[in-house]
Amino acid sequence: NAGVTQTPKFRILKIGQSMTLQCTQDMNHNYMYWYRQDPGMGLKLIYYSVGAGITDKGEVPNGYNVSRSTTEDFPLRLELAAPSQTSVYFCASSYREHNEQFFGPGTRLTVL
Amino acid sequence: SQKIEQNSEALNIQEGKTATLTCNYTNYSPAYLQWYRQDPGRGPVFLLLIRENEKEKRKERLKVTFDTTLKQSLFHITASQPADSATYLCALDGYSTLTFGKGTMLLVSP
Repeated sequence: NAGVTQTPKFRILKIGQSMTLQCTQDMNHNYMYWYRQDPGMGLKLIYYSVGAGITDKGEVPNGYNVSRSTTEDFPLRLELAAPSQTSVYFCASSYREHNEQFFGPGTRLTVL
Repeated sequence: SQKIEQNSEALNIQEGKTATLTCNYTNYSPAYLQWYRQDPGRGPVFLLLIRENEKEKRKERLKVTFDTTLKQSLFHITASQPADSATYLCALDGYSTLTFGKGTMLLVSP
């Protein structure tokens, strides 16, 4: 099993550009999550999904959108990128609530 | 809103000693609490989950306690090794989501 995979690993965007961060898991997990981590800060939840077709906002959803059309994939869309979205983005998955979360390797995004 | 605090200063200890990391929280009463390890440039890795009625949980050299009265969890690494050097994250396990602390960096010197 590859676990949780994320692409790209690194990306530089200009202000106002858009992009999609890809996340795929092959563990047949129902729950998937997107976090951002800024230097010296903890992980902040952006969006999460408890199953295909169901998504919900986390603590910091503004400027982002998600979709969950399949169990495996949970892409994160950034529209009109801003410098405040410079961060490291982690995708994670778990079989159900109150279970361990498996994290991907992260995407380092810089918005200039 | 719920608040979770971990010691922001790095913890420096010598190899072989026991490391103890603290996680305090307020405005919340989670039924579960999780601990993760994060190495530089990598995603967090799950270590332990403890339920509110368990008080203490062990896994090899790791031990976690959970005091719901004090609203505190302690994470212990016994016989620490330089390979244990990393940032350790505490997370409140709520309704479908986790709320993470900022983490405490542990440095184990030979």
